[in-house]
Amino acid sequence: SQQGEEDPQALSIQEGENATMNCSYKTSINNLQWYRQNSGRGLVHLILIRSNEREKHSGRLRVTLDTSKKSSSLLITASRAADTASYFCATEEYGGYNKLIFGAGTRLAVHP
Amino acid sequence: NAGVTQTPKFQVLKTGQSMTLQCAQDMNHNSMYWYRQDPGMGLRLIYYSASEGTTDKGEVPNGYNVSRLNKREFSLRLESAAPSQTSVYFCASRGTDTQYFGPGTRLTVL
Repeated sequence: SQQGEEDPQALSIQEGENATMNCSYKTSINNLQWYRQNSGRGLVHLILIRSNEREKHSGRLRVTLDTSKKSSSLLITASRAADTASYFCATEEYGGYNKLIFGAGTRLAVHP
Repeated sequence: NAGVTQTPKFQVLKTGQSMTLQCAQDMNHNSMYWYRQDPGMGLRLIYYSASEGTTDKGEVPNGYNVSRLNKREFSLRLESAAPSQTSVYFCASRGTDTQYFGPGTRLTVL
């Protein structure tokens, strides 16, 4: 069964708005990662946050992690049409031997 | 560097046929993975290889076999394809903490 549950399943916004996606998971983790998938393509790594970190930034991306609630959020600020994609969270379980478990993803559509 | 490459890009099989999906990486990574992605879902791990010479089952290994031919190459074999194996298959290799994905193979089993 999949570890992560993502919310919302789909999100539609206008260019310039912020997009927030949430991910919940079930077990103790080493780290949580976010990936982006453009339609018909492979996944591309965006950002990693370790279990002892609470917040991380990379360009227009901000990720938070709350291990007590077993949840994470990804914020994309000032969105662009090029941000249109599916976004997946993936967790590396504690003792998980480098295996990632993916959520079902959030489909983001950014309209010009 | 090409990163992770997969062949073929598309394949149509009839039920019961066999085929091998090929994957290669040029990043000198130890760990490699095979996933499947079904519509509206995330990726599910089929098999992985932590290092050359080792392979282990993932979440959905039934109906598949793998071979870690050398450090670069990790192949996935369907011995007797079934319609339930219609999916998009992704290969990945692992760097320091993150995984690098190939472009995928879209497989249809009729």
